[in-house]
Amino acid sequence: QQPVQSPQAVILREGEDAVINCSSSKALYSVHWYRQKHGEAPVFLMILLKGGEQMRHEKISASFNEKKQQSSLYLTASQLSYSGTYFCGTATYELTFGTGTRLQVTL
Amino acid sequence: NAGVTQTPKFQVLKTGQSMTLQCAQDMNHNSMYWYRQDPGMGLRLIYYSASEGTTDKGEVPNGYNVSRLNKREFSLRLESAAPSQTSVYFCASSAGKAGNQPQHFGDGTRLSIL
Repeated sequence: QQPVQSPQAVILREGEDAVINCSSSKALYSVHWYRQKHGEAPVFLMILLKGGEQMRHEKISASFNEKKQQSSLYLTASQLSYSGTYFCGTATYELTFGTGTRLQVTL
Repeated sequence: NAGVTQTPKFQVLKTGQSMTLQCAQDMNHNSMYWYRQDPGMGLRLIYYSASEGTTDKGEVPNGYNVSRLNKREFSLRLESAAPSQTSVYFCASSAGKAGNQPQHFGDGTRLSIL
């Protein structure tokens, strides 16, 4: 069953912050985050493992609440280059991706 | 640094035709995957190969077959293409088990079936 992401889409001005949430109905081993720009392949951002620390990629960080089976991606001081679709992937054994959150950063 | 290479990049088929999508990785990864991406559906796993010599079904395997030819190569075959298989197909690889290893994606194959 696909994890649920929210919001489905968000528009930001450069410099603003955003949070993208990912929740699953199943107990999770790990959560992955990927970013995909239009017409390109998904690119790995970070993995959060059960019992692990909060992770960071540049000004993007993420947390994983194992009890609630939820993860959140925090984009701080957004840049134009952050535009794209963000996917969470939840893993028991194989990775199951959410339907994505479309993020647009404008001037 | 090629990473994951997919061929072809674009293909148009007629209903009922067959074709094979090729994928090769040069990172010495054990695990390889095939996904399809449709608008609004995210990435859905078709088949995966946890290691050379093994393949397993994913979420949407019907209408597809796969071959893990060697450690580098993992192909996806459509035996009798249907319009519902129009999609963007991505191959990916990871060093090991999907849960704790990042996946590296190829550039995708855009497949249209008329």
